[in-house]
Parts: sequence; structure tokens; C-alpha cells
Amino acid sequence: ILNVEQSPQSLHVQEGDSTNFTCSFPSSNFYALHWYRWETAKSPEALFVMTLNGDEKKKGRISATLNTKEGYSYLYIKGSQPEDSATYLCAFIKAGTALIFGKGTTLSVSS
Amino acid sequence: DAGVTQSPTHLIKTRGQQVTLRCSPKSGHDTVSWYQQALGQGPQFIFQYYEEEERQRGNFPDRFSGHQFPNYSSELNVNALLLGDSALYLCASSLGDTTYNEQFFGPGTRLTVL
Repeated sequence: ILNVEQSPQSLHVQEGDSTNFTCSFPSSNFYALHWYRWETAKSPEALFVMTLNGDEKKKGRISATLNTKEGYSYLYIKGSQPEDSATYLCAFIKAGTALIFGKGTTLSVSS
Repeated sequence: DAGVTQSPTHLIKTRGQQVTLRCSPKSGHDTVSWYQQALGQGPQFIFQYYEEEERQRGNFPDRFSGHQFPNYSSELNVNALLLGDSALYLCASSLGDTTYNEQFFGPGTRLTVL
């Protein structure tokens, strides 16, 4: 993997469903991984900055895990709500680079 | 705290023209980064300013230049506009290096080049 890949590109869930997305990145020379949430007509908002292999972070119903050895991070949303509808972006930094963003996963939650 | 602000919100230019976009960082932040987001893509890093110096630059031509002022606000200048420069331009600020610090984004400037 040369760049950041996010999957799925989009998904639609019902209110109350739990869901997860994947962010894959090159595992060599890893420095940090960022997750951002971007709601329509708003600015991207930082969720997590993760640096250590095995890191797990949580903010309310949203949590993330990090595996730097195999180059992936999972973002989990428990009990999705309509206000969780947004595009979720991950971005990683390796030695000598700035943030490299994926294309994002767009989540739509129906009530 | 007003957060990160950008101006203008929208801008329409024609090919060959020059444009200047402006960004005011979140209060207390000293580092400003600029990103270009083309349709269907993730934000792409243009450059980062710290202490009025360009600290890092992405893979963008010299037509893209910037400046940071003593109050940490920043400008992005694009010369000789091309149709492909049409995009959303995002400014983000942070306190120090963005490797380990979260960034705060502005609402963006939508540039259309005709």
C-alpha cells in the first residue's frame, strides 16, 4: 500500500446499528494516524490522534484501534444515531511527510 | 473563540488569473497548514507555515505560494490559474507540529476556475 485506503467508500445503516470502517496505510516509518469527522456544511473535526501500536481510543460511542505493524486502523461507532452521519477521514504521517489523507468513508444513518 | 476562519467562502476566477485566500488560525495556534480537496478526493497537503516560514511542502507547483504573518494568520496565493485548480481549499491550524497534535479546520474556500 503506497497511500491511505479507506473502506467502504460509503455505507447506510439504521439508527441503533453498530458499524465500523477500515483505514489502511503503509506500515513502514509510521509516526501517527489521525481520524477526522466531516459533517456536511461544517469543518472537519478531529476525533483521535493515535501513535502507538495497539492504541485504543474512545470518545463517547466512537472508538478506534491501531495496528501499526500490519498498517490498519478501525473506527467503530456503537449504536449509530442520525447525527453520526458524516464523512470519516483518516490521515497518516510517516517519516518526512505531512498528513496524507484517505478519500473517506461516508456514513448515512437513517432514523 | 471564533475557531479557524477563512475568506472568502466562494470565489470564481478565470484561467490565467491570480487568487489569494486567507486564513485566521484558532486563538493560540502557531502552525497553519493548507490543503486542496478536489471532488471525490481526500484533502491533499499543499504546505505548512510555522513562525512565518514554510516548514513543509507537498507536491504542488511553484504557482502555489503562501505567507504567514506575525499574528499567525496566513495567505495562500495561486498564480496562473488552471481549470484543475478548481477545488475546496482548507486551512487548518494547530499548536506546534501536526504529527502528534490534532488540527482544527476552517470551513474552506470553494474556488471555481472557468
